[in-house]
Amino acid sequence: GNSVTQMEGPVTLSEEAFLTINCTYTATGYPSLFWYVQYPGEGLQLLLKATKADDKGSNKGFEATYRKETTSFHLEKGSVQVSDSAVYFCALARTGGGNKLTFGTGTQLKVEL
Amino acid sequence: NAGVTQTPKFQVLKTGQSMTLQCAQDMNHEYMSWYRQDPGMGLRLIHYSVGAGITDQGEVPNGYNVSRSTTEDFPLRLLSAAPSQTSVYFCASSRTGTVDNEQFFGPGTRLTVL
Repeated sequence: GNSVTQMEGPVTLSEEAFLTINCTYTATGYPSLFWYVQYPGEGLQLLLKATKADDKGSNKGFEATYRKETTSFHLEKGSVQVSDSAVYFCALARTGGGNKLTFGTGTQLKVEL
Repeated sequence: NAGVTQTPKFQVLKTGQSMTLQCAQDMNHEYMSWYRQDPGMGLRLIHYSVGAGITDQGEVPNGYNVSRSTTEDFPLRLLSAAPSQTSVYFCASSRTGTVDNEQFFGPGTRLTVL
């Protein structure tokens, strides 16, 4: 079946540090890949997505590239801010599966001054 | 637009009690879904609906019922609550059920079953 594996958290960084959150997936076919962000006390928000191999999703300074050869979709940001503190979820939607998402376990990011 | 709203925000039940978690959206979205979020397990799909009158099971449907009588509302019913249903529940909606449509999530309902 489909699955998503994310790096364990929490990840603690200083402001302006470089961020990488690893995500790998298992799926048949060519799934679409997503990163969602959950700020404290709120629901999830779509951060970025990629729908085919080698696509790069980007938003708010965050980027992730769909790597089919390594089945990965790592999230990166060059300079994090305190306001980026949140839980980040990697997710996939399998080919032909409509909008049903399979989520990773989430990675908590804490950014300190 | 209020987006996706969920009520209540918090609920405590005793084992065996029943309740309904409410979800409503004002974006005229066809697709709605329910997820539960548990520590160390991410979010898992409970039930979903591709339009009024059409529902289907997700990954973890046991113990939950849904119906979709209107486009706006998608309530989740627990007929006989169990401690294993202690979780945070999120409702989501998107314009259609195809993967290129962004899903919008509600703020969640935190349920504790004693």
